[in-house]
Amino acid sequence: KQEVTQIPAALSVPEGENLVLNCSFTDSAIYNLQWFRQDPGKGLTSLLLIQSSQREQTSGRLNASLDKSSGRSTLYIAASQPGDSATYLCAVFNDYKLSFGAGTTVTVRA
Amino acid sequence: SQTIHQWPATLVQPVGSPLSLECTVEGTSNPNLYWYRQAAGRGLQLLFYSVGIGQISSEVPQNLSASRPQDRQFILSSKKLLLSDSGFYLCAWRQGGTEAFFGQGTRLTVV
Repeated sequence: KQEVTQIPAALSVPEGENLVLNCSFTDSAIYNLQWFRQDPGKGLTSLLLIQSSQREQTSGRLNASLDKSSGRSTLYIAASQPGDSATYLCAVFNDYKLSFGAGTTVTVRA
Repeated sequence: SQTIHQWPATLVQPVGSPLSLECTVEGTSNPNLYWYRQAAGRGLQLLFYSVGIGQISSEVPQNLSASRPQDRQFILSSKKLLLSDSGFYLCAWRQGGTEAFFGQGTRLTVV
């Protein structure tokens, strides 16, 4: 069974600081990995999708890396802003299923 | 473009009452469909997924069931709700090697 772990569980940083969010998974036979953002009481918004053959993916201030062999992914958010405050979820896809970590709750202080 | 609709947004139901949550997807065909539950302060738990009409896979034995009567419609049901069924229910769709997209969720409170 795929297990996904996200560290840290919570993070508080001053505005402008770079964010580093970690995700690890136990079964490296994944099809792809996806990062999501969730605001309180809302659904999930897709941020980045990394295919298993890719090493990294970038969108604006967001950059995600994938090391499939070691079962790790990292999401970098550059120059954080208060609007980046949310919970960030990592999910891996294999066997028709998306398995999620518990998320990292980020607070960016103005 | 593809969109996913999930309703209702909030629901308060008494213990022992039935439940029906509906999810529909527009703009695509033969998607993989998913129901997740998110308990307060916890991660997303996969409840059911479907790769085609009438094909349902259950991940967690429980008081819930799912059906897919049409290609782009996914329904989550219960005959008798329990207090432990309270939570935030999310529907999602995915196709091929693409991203998964989620609905806005249903907040269910069983009282």
